[in-house]
Amino acid sequence: DAGVIQSPRHEVTEMGQEVTLRCKPISGHNSLFWYRQTMMRGLELLIYFNNNVPIDDSGMPEDRFSAKMPNASFSTLKIQPSEPRDSAVYFCASTATGEVQPQHFGDGTRLSIL
Amino acid sequence: SQQGEEDPQALSIQEGENATMNCSYKTSINNLQWYRQNSGRGLVHLILIRSNEREKHSGRLRVTLDTSKKSSSLLITASRAADTASYFCATGSSGNTPLVFGKGTRLSVIA
Repeated sequence: DAGVIQSPRHEVTEMGQEVTLRCKPISGHNSLFWYRQTMMRGLELLIYFNNNVPIDDSGMPEDRFSAKMPNASFSTLKIQPSEPRDSAVYFCASTATGEVQPQHFGDGTRLSIL
Repeated sequence: SQQGEEDPQALSIQEGENATMNCSYKTSINNLQWYRQNSGRGLVHLILIRSNEREKHSGRLRVTLDTSKKSSSLLITASRAADTASYFCATGSSGNTPLVFGKGTRLSVIA
């Protein structure tokens, strides 16, 4: 059974460029979460979706960040324009419907903005 | 904002020893979960304990929860080199609302 799939695994780009991170959740999962992990701040929730609908995007740091979930099997996180302080590992996680469910994480995208 | 705070930040033990990691949190919770993260990988769910439970076991893992002290502990018995990873606690308020993760304990098990 395939887990959460993220692409690319690594991205190195120059500041000012647009960056798009992709996530395919586990089939049948109804909730999807985007996190950012840094040494200084740990794991931070950016945004989450239930049934493809954004529920809480209060963690999105700035208007430069946007996320979409056009269907149940695909989500994107876009940064435009990117800045060096956006360098981090970005994780996507999904979870099934139910009262309390564990989250299943992808292996992340390591983003470096030069 | 961080809800859970793991303690210690780093732990180094010999293979075969037990490892204990602690987590404290601030607000009322519905459940508390522990996750493991190997270097360069995503987090992997280990165990979930609900607020009305006090202890739970899974293989070599034992989790306790004390809601009066707002704390939890994760015990790994008979540790192995493969247990080397970062361990995170995460708290949930209800249903599938987002979890709030601590900063983790980095465990090194030396063979």
